[in-house]
Amino acid sequence: EVQLAQSGPEVRKPGESLKMSCRASGYNFNNYWIGWVRQKPGKGLEWLGIVYPSDSDTRYSPSFQGQVTISADRSTTTAYLQFHSLKASDTAIYYCARHLGDCSTVSCYFDSWGQGALVTVST
Amino acid sequence: SYELTQPPSVSVSPGQTARITCSAPSFPKEFGNWYQQKPGQAPVLIIYQDTKRPSGVPERFSGSNSGTTVTLMIRGVQAEDEADYFCQSGDRSRRFGVFGGGTKLTVL
Repeated sequence: EVQLAQSGPEVRKPGESLKMSCRASGYNFNNYWIGWVRQKPGKGLEWLGIVYPSDSDTRYSPSFQGQVTISADRSTTTAYLQFHSLKASDTAIYYCARHLGDCSTVSCYFDSWGQGALVTVST
Repeated sequence: SYELTQPPSVSVSPGQTARITCSAPSFPKEFGNWYQQKPGQAPVLIIYQDTKRPSGVPERFSGSNSGTTVTLMIRGVQAEDEADYFCQSGDRSRRFGVFGGGTKLTVL
């Protein structure tokens, strides 16, 4: 069974950095893309980006390119989402999810999701 | 920019058929996928590659692609189907994914 266990809720001040984690189990971590989705309070889903653990290839939404860094550690089967300088507008729930395809082929979609982690950025 | 357009809300009576649309100029060559999200829960994939249903998803959920619109159909709607539904696709030319704005399904 695919399982994605995310790190817990975080509270940060504007300008601070943050690295969130997502531990994967139940499948071959190296052979699937894994990515991140943002959901602001009461709003819709936003596709942030994905990483392929086998070679660390990444894809980012143009809206998030340069704003976050997505990475993966094969030795611990863990994916990461890193913020360099948080803003209040980054307050949201962040989901990690396993991603089928890299969006350069016929289809791409998330088939298994983590439980989500709330990030609150406030003074 | 690459956008998927969904109606904000759809209402249906129990036992009826709900249709939720998602429009984009790219759909003739891109696949559409659908997710269900209930309050306080993570999204769940219910349709992928326009028409395929993951194991465990009830047969009353189905999908179609008619060119510039993909449609999620829920036959015999039940109270438990009340949720937010999001379509999603990929932009092959620039290699990233995108979600529609979401549709709140209300079961009257």
